[in-house]
Amino acid sequence: SQTIHQWPATLVQPVGSPLSLECTVEGTSNPNLYWYRQAAGRGLQLLFYSVGIGQISSEVPQNLSASRPQDRQFILSSKKLLLSDSGFYLCAWSRRGDPAKNEQFFGPGTRLTVL
Amino acid sequence: KQEVTQIPAALSVPEGENLVLNCSFTDSAIYNLQWFRQDPGKGLTSLLLIQSSQREQTSGRLNASLDKSSGRSTLYIAASQPGDSATYLCAGFDYKLSFGAGTTVTVRA
Repeated sequence: SQTIHQWPATLVQPVGSPLSLECTVEGTSNPNLYWYRQAAGRGLQLLFYSVGIGQISSEVPQNLSASRPQDRQFILSSKKLLLSDSGFYLCAWSRRGDPAKNEQFFGPGTRLTVL
Repeated sequence: KQEVTQIPAALSVPEGENLVLNCSFTDSAIYNLQWFRQDPGKGLTSLLLIQSSQREQTSGRLNASLDKSSGRSTLYIAASQPGDSATYLCAGFDYKLSFGAGTTVTVRA
């Protein structure tokens, strides 16, 4: 069976500090990978998605970046955090292939508070 | 741009009552529609996926329908239980998932 991990679970960071959130998937190969943010009052927003190693598509211009150094590893980073970066960050994966069958499975999330 | 709306925003029912959750979307060019459950402070759990060629999907007490022509999906939960209390989210997939704001359900024992 497939499992998706995210860490850390909770993070409190000062404004201007760097950020690195990690997501890994087990039990599958060549997954599509996604980063979402859920902010209070704004719903779930897609930030980045990746269809392969080193292939990153950005949905929202911001001070965040993503990288996929390995097939089942997805990293969300920032050089300098803003207050507006606070939120609940969710990683998700789906199988390659028929988009009609693209069912996305989510990780447990990272709660980020920027002070 | 896909806009997804969920009505009502919140719902409170006594245990045993059937639940009906509504989802509407503006762009019918979706590959599928997915329903999720989210407990407070947790990630999303996938409940059902309905492909664009399908009209409904069932899993246990859950049944979801999809009408692309009218831009609507409905999630039915039969014989609700207190453990069904959560926020339910729907999302349409074209090349990405576009989410509604969710319906928060409280089932009273």
